Amino acid sequence: LAKTTQPISMDSYEGQEVNITCSHNNIATNDYITWYQQFPSQGPRFIIQGYKTKVTNEVASLFIPADRKSSTLSLPRVSLSDTAVYYCLVGGPNTGGFKTIFGAGTRLFVKA
Amino acid sequence: SAVISQKPSRDICQRGTSLTIQCQVDSQVTMMFWYRQQPGQSLTLIATANQGSEATYESGFVIDKFPISRPNLTFSTLTVSNMSPEDSSIYLCSVEDRFYGYTFGSGTRLTVV
Repeated sequence: LAKTTQPISMDSYEGQEVNITCSHNNIATNDYITWYQQFPSQGPRFIIQGYKTKVTNEVASLFIPADRKSSTLSLPRVSLSDTAVYYCLVGGPNTGGFKTIFGAGTRLFVKA
Repeated sequence: SAVISQKPSRDICQRGTSLTIQCQVDSQVTMMFWYRQQPGQSLTLIATANQGSEATYESGFVIDKFPISRPNLTFSTLTVSNMSPEDSSIYLCSVEDRFYGYTFGSGTRLTVV
């Protein structure tokens, strides 16, 4: 299972773009990269998933370089409600025996 | 994505007792996962539960302490047995979602006194 490394914490201000980078040097060929958001007293919530290049949805973008050894979650124009812990996970979807291993995550604190 | 109902949402229990946590999914799923999240920490996988077979436990977790049932494709229970204050954590169940990675329940906040 690929291990991930993220910054422990980040601070930002409302309206700024936030980029959180995750390192996963031993990512396997069939692994996807998935990001989750967790608020206090809630379970993690899916944000975005990608395999290579760039993926964008209504809440975030995910940038993955060609070597796939890292990925960057980009949150445009953050608000106070984006204060949460963000987890980067690497693994293969829908494969028998696949399990999700969480790293330490990045605590994002958005200030007014 | 799948919708998970987990209960109880919280409980305060006496040491030495047991608590069973229920996880109900609104669709049939092959694998269900149970996690523990200690205060201020990340999630740690306890075990993987497949319907019709015994759960597979991760290192550091044993069946006697965390027995799991998986009677059908939409339901699972995790029991925390012979509890001690060190078992105070949030326990979450999760299922694999075809399009959204993994979906999590809202968790059970357990306090052992």
